[in-house]
Amino acid sequence: DAGITQSPRHKVTETGTPVTLRCHQTENHRYMYWYRQDPGHGLRLIHYSYGVKDTDKGEVSDGYSVSRSKTEDFLLTLESATSSQTSVYFCASGGTENTEAFFGQGTRLTVV
Amino acid sequence: AQTVTQSQPEMSVQEAETVTLSCTYDTSENNYYLFWYKQPPSRQMILVIRQEAYKQQNATENRFSVNFQKAAKSFSLKISDSQLGDTAMYFCAFMKHGYGNKLVFGAGTILRVKS
Repeated sequence: DAGITQSPRHKVTETGTPVTLRCHQTENHRYMYWYRQDPGHGLRLIHYSYGVKDTDKGEVSDGYSVSRSKTEDFLLTLESATSSQTSVYFCASGGTENTEAFFGQGTRLTVV
Repeated sequence: AQTVTQSQPEMSVQEAETVTLSCTYDTSENNYYLFWYKQPPSRQMILVIRQEAYKQQNATENRFSVNFQKAAKSFSLKISDSQLGDTAMYFCAFMKHGYGNKLVFGAGTILRVKS
């Protein structure tokens, strides 16, 4: 299995506070992704990265920002958390060929 | 933009029987990949099977096989000899070939295997 870890695994935060989720991979994968999973919607792409300092928006990027200063780390930040951002967040990575994605364990975020 | 549709929100099957999960997709691309991922209650996303669009032969992995109909843009998953451990959410996903591609998911199908 690809070495992808997410932290934290669970978090409860208050509305209006900033939150950062971390994704760390040990596979030297070029591509990294952040998804959110909500009932009835499957996994929706928030942001993704082609490489260090090279990122792009997905379909549900409003209210989120990302950074990738090193190949192995991809950070997702909620600048000011809202209740609509309560979700399960998944990080994934893919190699140079990018023919499949490997997923982390997910982070359950609750905004109260 | 690519879209993936899974029209069956929930399905159930008796242990040892066969079940087929449906998936259709929309794309103008000719070269791409299709996937089925399994998500058990543990929440882990597990790749079940992958199909490359340029290959006509349907992919198989043990009890899991696909029926890939490129012209119809259909990609169904057949699970034979269903086991209790197959109970999970199943996601169909699409990725076009080439630089900057990304994985697009369907809404998922919950499969329950009954004893």
